[in-house]
Amino acid sequence: QVQLVESGGGVVPPGTSLRLSCEASGFTFSYYAMHWVRQTPGMGLEWVAVLSSDGSKRYFSDSVKGRFTISRDNSQNTLYLQLHSLRAEDTARYFCARDQGLPYSGLDQWGQGTLVIVSS
Amino acid sequence: SSELTQDPAVSVALGQTVTITCQGDRLRTYYASWYQQKPGQAPVLVVYGKDNRPSGIPDRFSGSGSGNTASLTITGAQAEDEADYYCDSRDISANHVVFGGGTKLTVV
Repeated sequence: QVQLVESGGGVVPPGTSLRLSCEASGFTFSYYAMHWVRQTPGMGLEWVAVLSSDGSKRYFSDSVKGRFTISRDNSQNTLYLQLHSLRAEDTARYFCARDQGLPYSGLDQWGQGTLVIVSS
Repeated sequence: SSELTQDPAVSVALGQTVTITCQGDRLRTYYASWYQQKPGQAPVLVVYGKDNRPSGIPDRFSGSGSGNTASLTITGAQAEDEADYYCDSRDISANHVVFGGGTKLTVV
């Protein structure tokens, strides 16, 4: 069955960097665009970034543009999110999710998320 | 506007029908997708496109849209439907996805 497993979260001081990973299994990873979505505890969902299936196109929300990067290794079925210059407001659970495809039809598979806490 | 607006909370009596709405200018052009999220769990896609359900989603969930409003209807709400519901849509020109603020559904 389809599985997405995030890792790499933790407690980090402001201004530092962190790399999140999302390991995919149960489907042909290289066929799908992939997203990162975050959720502050007790709050709503916030879209963070998307990467095309071949890794050539990437887009970010205004709140993270210039600080976060997204990449993937299709040979390892893994999606990454590199977080730089972390701020307290980046504290959230970060989910990776699979894009159903074009035209946009929602995110049909989600991992359980990895928690990032930015605190001194 | 790039925003999607949802009512913060809605309640429904067990077995009755409830509609959750999502408003935003982009919905005049693009469909919304709908997600259910229970406490401590990841979101689950329940409706997408014009009115499509992923495999395994009960047919009591349905979607519709008119003008700048998308709607998720649960016909015959069950206790297990109590959850937070989020809409999203894509802004193709910006290649972004936007989520609504979420609606907490209580089944009484």
